[in-house]
Amino acid sequence: NAGVTQTPKFQVLKTGQSMTLQCAQDMNHEYMSWYRQDPGMGLRLIHYSVGAGITDQGEVPNGYNVSRSTTEDFPLRLLSAAPSQTSVYFCASSLYSGWTSGDNEQFFGPGTRLTVL
Amino acid sequence: RKEVEQDPGPFNVPEGATVAFNCTYSNSASQSFFWYRQDCRKEPKLLMSVYSSGNEDGRFTAQLNRASQYISLLIRDSKLSDSATYLCVVNSPGAGSYQLTFGKGTKLSVIP
Repeated sequence: NAGVTQTPKFQVLKTGQSMTLQCAQDMNHEYMSWYRQDPGMGLRLIHYSVGAGITDQGEVPNGYNVSRSTTEDFPLRLLSAAPSQTSVYFCASSLYSGWTSGDNEQFFGPGTRLTVL
Repeated sequence: RKEVEQDPGPFNVPEGATVAFNCTYSNSASQSFFWYRQDCRKEPKLLMSVYSSGNEDGRFTAQLNRASQYISLLIRDSKLSDSATYLCVVNSPGAGSYQLTFGKGTKLSVIP
């Protein structure tokens, strides 16, 4: 298994540009999520999905869109990039989606380092 | 008050030392608890889950005190390879599903 893959690894955008960060997993996981990690802020949840066709907002959803048309893929779209979106973005997946489930180990992708000028 | 708070660190310890990390969480409805490890410029990886009865994995011991809403991680006989940032993670009910809340992390440097 490749696990969780993310592309691109690095990206530089100009303010106002749009782009899609790709995320895929080959473990047949129900739950997928996007986080951003900023210095001194820790990981913050942007959007998550509990299965194909179902998405919901996390802590910091503004400026981002997601969709989940298949179990495997969970792309994150930046609609109009802003310097405040400069960050490291991690996609993660886990087998279970229910919050009463036991251990829901998150498997993270290697991250995308995004700079918005 | 932040939902998950950790010792700010950094912790600089010599090889062989014992080091303890603390974490507190604010949501009493939280269901499960974890420690993740993140190496520099890498993704977080699960180190261990934390159970009420306490659990041990080699040199690592995790403890949970639900009454005090407190989680700890003890590393014995520190190795150079333990140098990393340790993230306390709490699983709490969200609007429609569970959500993981991450602490900001505590950086550990083990010195030869």
